[in-house]
Amino acid sequence: SQTIHQWPATLVQPVGSPLSLECTVEGTSNPNLYWYRQAAGRGLQLLFYSVGIGQISSEVPQNLSASRPQDRQFILSSKKLLLSDSGFYLCAWSLERTAGTGNYGYTFGSGTRLTVV
Amino acid sequence: GQQVMQIPQYQHVQEGEDFTTYCNSSTTLSNIQWYKQRPGGHPVFLIQLVKSGEVKKQKRLTFQFGEAKKNSSLHITATQTTDVGTYFCAGRHDYKLSFGAGTTVTVRA
Repeated sequence: SQTIHQWPATLVQPVGSPLSLECTVEGTSNPNLYWYRQAAGRGLQLLFYSVGIGQISSEVPQNLSASRPQDRQFILSSKKLLLSDSGFYLCAWSLERTAGTGNYGYTFGSGTRLTVV
Repeated sequence: GQQVMQIPQYQHVQEGEDFTTYCNSSTTLSNIQWYKQRPGGHPVFLIQLVKSGEVKKQKRLTFQFGEAKKNSSLHITATQTTDVGTYFCAGRHDYKLSFGAGTTVTVRA
């Protein structure tokens, strides 16, 4: 069966420090991978998505970047954190290749709660 | 860009009562998905609707997709304390899901 791992679960970082959040998927090949951010009590904002190794699409201009060095590994990074980067970061995967086909909901990791102080 | 709006933002329900949450998109959707996020947890996929006018049921939950594929609803009957959480709809466009802001449900016993 497929599993998704995301770590760390919580993180407190000072302003200006770097960030690296890692997400790995097991039990599937060539998944679509996503990074979302959820502000407290708010909806989910898509940050990045990837449909293959080395391919990254950015949804919003920001202080963050993403990389996909391996098929089932997705990394979210920042060189210098801002206070506004605080939030709940969620990694997700899906297998749907064409919109509307199949019944592939997104599977989310357990998330990382980031507090920038 | 595509926007998905959900109402109400908060729903306070007496245990045993019914309620409905609504989702509207500014564009026609290829499909719509619903997720549930328990307090402190991560979103969990509930269901996907693809066809115009489609209705699907999961026990006490009834999901509908509008005829124009621009709106959807989730109706819960006989609310239980286990229904507490935030329900998100998400509209599908290409590889991406755009999530609504969610309806946060609290239940009075």
